[in-house]
Parts: sequence; structure tokens; C-alpha cells
Amino acid sequence: AQSVAQPEDQVNVAEGNPLTVKCTYSVSGNPYLFWYVQYPNRGLQFLLKYITGDNLVKGSYGFEAEFNKSQTSFHLKKPSALVSDSALYFCAVRDTVVAGYALNFGKGTSLLVTP
Amino acid sequence: DAGVIQSPRHEVTEMGQEVTLRCKPISGHDYLFWYRQTMMRGLELLIYFNNNVPIDDSGMPEDRFSAKMPNASFSTLKIQPSEPRDSAVYFCASSLALLRNEQFFGPGTRLTVL
Repeated sequence: AQSVAQPEDQVNVAEGNPLTVKCTYSVSGNPYLFWYVQYPNRGLQFLLKYITGDNLVKGSYGFEAEFNKSQTSFHLKKPSALVSDSALYFCAVRDTVVAGYALNFGKGTSLLVTP
Repeated sequence: DAGVIQSPRHEVTEMGQEVTLRCKPISGHDYLFWYRQTMMRGLELLIYFNNNVPIDDSGMPEDRFSAKMPNASFSTLKIQPSEPRDSAVYFCASSLALLRNEQFFGPGTRLTVL
């Protein structure tokens, strides 16, 4: 079975500081991993994904994430947070060896960036 | 492309009424997904289609929920009869493929059942 966990319901960071939103996963085989962002009253927007290759993935709006197989993690990071980054962030995983499943989303982490 | 289009954006109805939510996926996308989002349960996959055929409907809560995709550019999610616990935001998403490709989400329909 596949699952994903976002251990923090909320992350608070001051503008200009680095931010990290945590994600861990569990799969039978190799994972495909995704990060999405949701702004208020909007649908989810794709940020970045890890499929294979370089463990450091760069995405939209200056975000990046590092795939760590030994720790089964895929934390989202940004070197310098903006107030406009405040939103709900979702990590998602798909197991490559389990047929028929779509993405499994985490419960989301609310990011608040204060001026 | 205009992205995934959903209608209506807001729906308020009374318990027992039929509700129909509509979705137009991105042209050329072979997969269409219906999700439900609530504070308590987060984002739940209800059903997804591949080339207009339902593949996995195990997330559909009960028989009151049904979904169809009569052609590649249109899908509906119907609730009949609706209940207050169906109140949620319903998202439609589409993707080129299932495995490696990201999903593109519509703006959602906020359903309130009184």
C-alpha cells in the first residue's frame, strides 16, 4: 500500500527566512512524488515532481524538494520565503509497482509567512 | 488552453435534492479525476476515468453518488439525494497519463447542502 504523511499541520516562518515543509512516504516499490500548492478558494496547483534521476528537484516559484530514499522523505524547501507563499501545501505519492492507483495525497500543511 | 473548467463554482441546495457537478478537462488529457475536500477528511479521490471509462470508483461514498464521462470533454458527478454531510468542495482534475504526469485541477465546486 502507498501512503504519505505531512507531520506538521502548520509551519510559520518570517519573510526572507528559509522554509521547509516536511513529507514522508511509504510505498512497496519506487515512488513518484509530487508537491502541490492550494491558495484560498482555488484548486491545487502543481509545483514539482520527482520521477527519477537527480534527487534535488527544482520547481515553480523558487521551490525545490529533495528526494531522500533512505529516509523516505521528500521535503519541500525554499531559500527565502515570501508573504505570497502563504498557502496550503500538499505532498502526493504514487507507487510505481502497484497498478491501478492514482495519487495518494497527504492531509496538507498550512504555511504562514509573516512580514 | 483554459485549463480544467468546473461548473457551478458554488451550489447551495436542500437536503434530498439532486445535485449535478460538471467538468471539462484539458483537451488531450486521457485521465479525469473527481476529488472531494473537507476539513475533516482532507482530499479524497472519489473516482477516475481513463479514456472515458471509469477505472476505480472505490472512493465513491455510497450509491447516492454517480459519475459519468459521456465523451472526452465532459464529465458529471451526481448526488441524488443530497445530504448535509455531502457539503464539501469537489474538484475535478485531468492528466495526460497516470504514472508520471502531474494532475491539473479545476477551481472546484463548493457544495452546501442545507
